Formats: sequence, structure tokens, C-alpha cells
Amino acid sequence: GDSVTQMEGPVTLSEEAFLTINCTYTATGYPSLFWYVQYPGEGLQLLLKATKADDKGSNKGFEATYRKETTSFHLEKGSVQVSDSAVYFCALGDRGNNRLAFGKGNQVVVIP
Amino acid sequence: DAGVIQSPRHEVTEMGQEVTLRCKPISGHDYLFWYRQTMMRGLELLIYFNNNVPIDDSGMPEDRFSAKMPNASFSTLKIQPSEPRDSAVYFCASSLDREETQYFGPGTRLLVL
Repeated sequence: GDSVTQMEGPVTLSEEAFLTINCTYTATGYPSLFWYVQYPGEGLQLLLKATKADDKGSNKGFEATYRKETTSFHLEKGSVQVSDSAVYFCALGDRGNNRLAFGKGNQVVVIP
Repeated sequence: DAGVIQSPRHEVTEMGQEVTLRCKPISGHDYLFWYRQTMMRGLELLIYFNNNVPIDDSGMPEDRFSAKMPNASFSTLKIQPSEPRDSAVYFCASSLDREETQYFGPGTRLLVL
């Protein structure tokens, strides 16, 4: 089935640094792509999404562009804050199995 | 809307006991999903329903787990008997359509001693 792959390991960076979290996908057809965020002790929340190639999703200073040619949907933020510390999940809409396929998630820790 | 509601938020039980987790999806959402999250295995889809009918339960770990959705506003996930390896955070999510955004509840933190 369709799947997503996120870069391994936690990400630790200083406040105001640039954040990139890589996400690549494998899919038949043209799935919708999502980034979800999970703050400590909470459920997952939609951060942004893109439904077709070259679409850019954005929210709270985060951006991700649906790149069909590289099958990627990397998440970026130009200047992170301590409040951005959370776990970030990439996901795609797996039409074949009628579900969202989630990546393993990346823990992001922003230090003051 | 209040969002997806789950209860209880925390559950501590002893091995062998029955555990029932509850979920109220967002009104009007046709899809309901049950997930389990652990450090070792990440986020796993257990089962999902469409219009109260179970569509795919291939993620349910074993016969000790069962899920029901008696009506559009309520679902349960039951573990009987519970085991320590069932300790995890269990999330319920709902969506308007299978490809649409899923809205997650706050989760139930289950600890089986």
C-alpha cells in the first residue's frame, strides 16, 4: 500500500533557527498529503495539507510543498519558537486502503 | 463543536481485567478511526468504521480486542482480558470522508499492571 517515510531521529535546535523535516512518499495515483502535530499530552492536530502537485500548504509559519517529481512533502519553518516543540507526523491519504498512512513522527525540541 | 470526545482520559487496571474505551465523534462525520500509539511501534491504525459499519479491522492485534459503533455518535474499544503489553495511548479520530482531514480526540492513556 501507499506509505510515507520520515527522516530518522529527534531534531533539537535553538529558538529562531530554521527547521526542516523531510518526508517522502510512495503512492499510486495522486494522494492528498498532510502534516499533523502532536503537542505533549494531546492528540494529533492537522497542521497543514496539500491535495495536488505543486500545492503549498501553510499554517502558523510552517510550509510544505507537494513535489510530485521528487515524491516529497518536506516541512519547513523559518524561525522556530519554544512553543513549536512537539512531534510532527507526515501522512498521506491512501485511497487504495481508504485510510491515512502516517510516518513514524519526528520529535522536535526547541531550546531557548 | 466540542471536537472528538474520549473517555476515560486515563485508565490504570490490572492484568486480566476488561477495559472499555469510549469515543464520541464529531457530529456529521461518517468515518471513525481507532489508533494505538506506543514508543516502540508509533501510531497504528486498529480499525475504522464508515456509517457505523466496521470496514477494516486488520490492525486489531488479536481477539482480545473488539470495537463497536452502535450509533453515529458513539463507539467503544474493548480489551478483554487486558495484558501489560496493551499499555499505550489510544486515540479516536473522525472525518467527513476517508480522504479528508481526521480530527483526533485527546486520547486515553492506558496502563495495565
